[in-house]
Amino acid sequence: EDKVVQSPLSLVVHEGDTVTLNCSYEVTNFRSLLWYKQEKKAPTFLFMLTSSGIEKKSGRLSSILDKKELFSILNITATQTGDSAVYLCAVEATGAQKLVFGQGTRLTINP
Amino acid sequence: DTEVTQTPKHLVMGMTNKKSLKCEQHMGHRAMYWYKQKAKKPPELMFVYSYEKLSINESVPSRFSPECPNSSLLNLHLHALQPEDSALYLCASSQEGGSQETQYFGPGTRLLVL
Repeated sequence: EDKVVQSPLSLVVHEGDTVTLNCSYEVTNFRSLLWYKQEKKAPTFLFMLTSSGIEKKSGRLSSILDKKELFSILNITATQTGDSAVYLCAVEATGAQKLVFGQGTRLTINP
Repeated sequence: DTEVTQTPKHLVMGMTNKKSLKCEQHMGHRAMYWYKQKAKKPPELMFVYSYEKLSINESVPSRFSPECPNSSLLNLHLHALQPEDSALYLCASSQEGGSQETQYFGPGTRLLVL
């Protein structure tokens, strides 16, 4: 059965800190891994990763995939209170036409 | 326009009511999805439509009935729901439902079944 595991489940840091969120997966015929940020309502798309070792970057957020070790990390530098959210990792398998989500990491940034 | 819209935003219904959730996108996407999300849990896939045909039904009870009238619209008809069906219902769309596609989510409908 396809499985996505995120860690930690919850993280509380101070504004300005750097955080690393982890996502490991076991998926038959892996296609892509996606990161989403979810605040009050719908998840908003952050990154899609398909190739190993290539970092995707958007402002203070970056992510990288390791297809050999079957994991991805999401880094957030110089965190701000607006980064407080649940970060979801999801994996797509070939031909599966669906995303398998991890449990999410609840990130809280204190001022 | 990279927006997926959902109506209503909130819905309260009794167990004998019949209601519908609506989802719309104008990105030319040909795949649309319904997810159910309980509090503090990740979204769970319910249905996938690809080119207006139901391609995935994740063993969802028949009291949930999806409908895709055209490529821009996706409905979820609700009948005889149970209190445990209370959740956030998310609609998403993607290019064709194939591989390596980003799914874009709507804001969701928060449903309360009394």
